[in-house]
Amino acid sequence: ETGVTQTPRHLVMGMTNKKSLKCEQHLGHNAMYWYKQSAKKPLELMFVYNFKEQTENNSVPSRFSPECPNSSHLFLHLHTLQPEDSALYLCASSQLQGADLNGYTFGSGTRLTVV
Amino acid sequence: TQLLEQSPQFLSIQEGENLTVYCNSSSVFSSLQWYRQEPGEGPVLLVTVVTGGEVKKLKRLTFQFGDARKDSSLHITAAQPGDTGLYLCAGVGTSYDKVIFGPGTSLSVIP
Repeated sequence: ETGVTQTPRHLVMGMTNKKSLKCEQHLGHNAMYWYKQSAKKPLELMFVYNFKEQTENNSVPSRFSPECPNSSHLFLHLHTLQPEDSALYLCASSQLQGADLNGYTFGSGTRLTVV
Repeated sequence: TQLLEQSPQFLSIQEGENLTVYCNSSSVFSSLQWYRQEPGEGPVLLVTVVTGGEVKKLKRLTFQFGDARKDSSLHITAAQPGDTGLYLCAGVGTSYDKVIFGPGTSLSVIP
């Protein structure tokens, strides 16, 4: 499979649940990102990993915990979320962190609903 | 803090019409990217413009980077229903380590 694959596509979870989002890329990219997309708001960068090392955490609450076991896989572990965390969570990758003229390759996202 | 504004926020037009959407900032960017996001999918890169004043064409889409590299426009000629989606601009900071996304223009082309 090519591109960036995110699973699951949809997730409904209670505020006391623990769940994980998965992202996988087979593009040979070295940087991977988690973004949050809420209605009427710009894409919010959450975390950046470059060569498996976390290089950016944009003041994200600790109820979101990222994990990058290798350059091809990225996880976002969720626990005790709030209803306002409901959003589309997008994973992206790029050859280089930040300024890659080829841009980012995004996955299709996970639509998360917290009830 | 670098910010990107996009206008209009929403646009609904008839098939065959022309349109222009804008991306503006008070900051200078080293390059600017345009993405289109269809419902239920992630954004897909359309183009990257690098040089001030640069114009790039992608079929019926024309992208222009402002001379001062602070703004950009996207012009669509003879819009088609397949052009429907959220158009996002993204500026790459001059230190080449930050990409800032605008809030997007939601385009609906009615058959």
